[in-house]
Amino acid sequence: SQTIHQWPATLVQPVGSPLSLECTVEGTSNPNLYWYRQAAGRGLQLLFYSVGIGQISSEVPQNLSASRPQDRQFILSSKKLLLSDSGFYLCAWSTKGQGGDTQYFGPGTRLTVL
Amino acid sequence: DAKTTQPTSMDCAEGRAANLPCNHSTISGNEYVYWYRQIHSQGPQYIIHGLKNNETNEMASLIITEDRKSSTLILPHATLRDTAVYYCIVRVGGNTGKLIFGQGTTLQVKP
Repeated sequence: SQTIHQWPATLVQPVGSPLSLECTVEGTSNPNLYWYRQAAGRGLQLLFYSVGIGQISSEVPQNLSASRPQDRQFILSSKKLLLSDSGFYLCAWSTKGQGGDTQYFGPGTRLTVL
Repeated sequence: DAKTTQPTSMDCAEGRAANLPCNHSTISGNEYVYWYRQIHSQGPQYIIHGLKNNETNEMASLIITEDRKSSTLILPHATLRDTAVYYCIVRVGGNTGKLIFGQGTTLQVKP
């Protein structure tokens, strides 16, 4: 069965510090991968998605970036964090196909920028 | 993707069926109905999806009206662990892109 991992689970970082969040998927090949952010009390905002290694699409301009160095690894990064980057970061994966695009979410990383 | 409308909140007694409605009157023929839930401080959890026919899995049943303008998610025997925000989402099949989560329905299961 497929499993999605995210780490760390929680993170407290000072403003201006770098960020690296990692997501890995097991049990599937060539998945679509997604990064979402959920601000406190708000809905999910899609940040990036990837259909393959090295292929990244950005949904929202910001100081975050994403990379997909391996088929089942998705990394979210920032060179300098802002206060507004605080939130709940969720990674998701889906298979490719026409019969519906079911996205499965990881446990999330709760980031607090102070 | 079509817009959905859900009640803001609902209560359900533990052990009883929870019926969560969703209106999607502008749904197109190639759009699926998806249901997710989010338990506090966790990632969203996929529940079920369907196109035209009613669907059932180990978690829930999805009833879609014949005109597809509305649907109902049924949790047959709600437990306290089913307390969560439930989201109804309509989107085109095979569409790589964002899931648009609306406000959802906060289901409170009470003992």
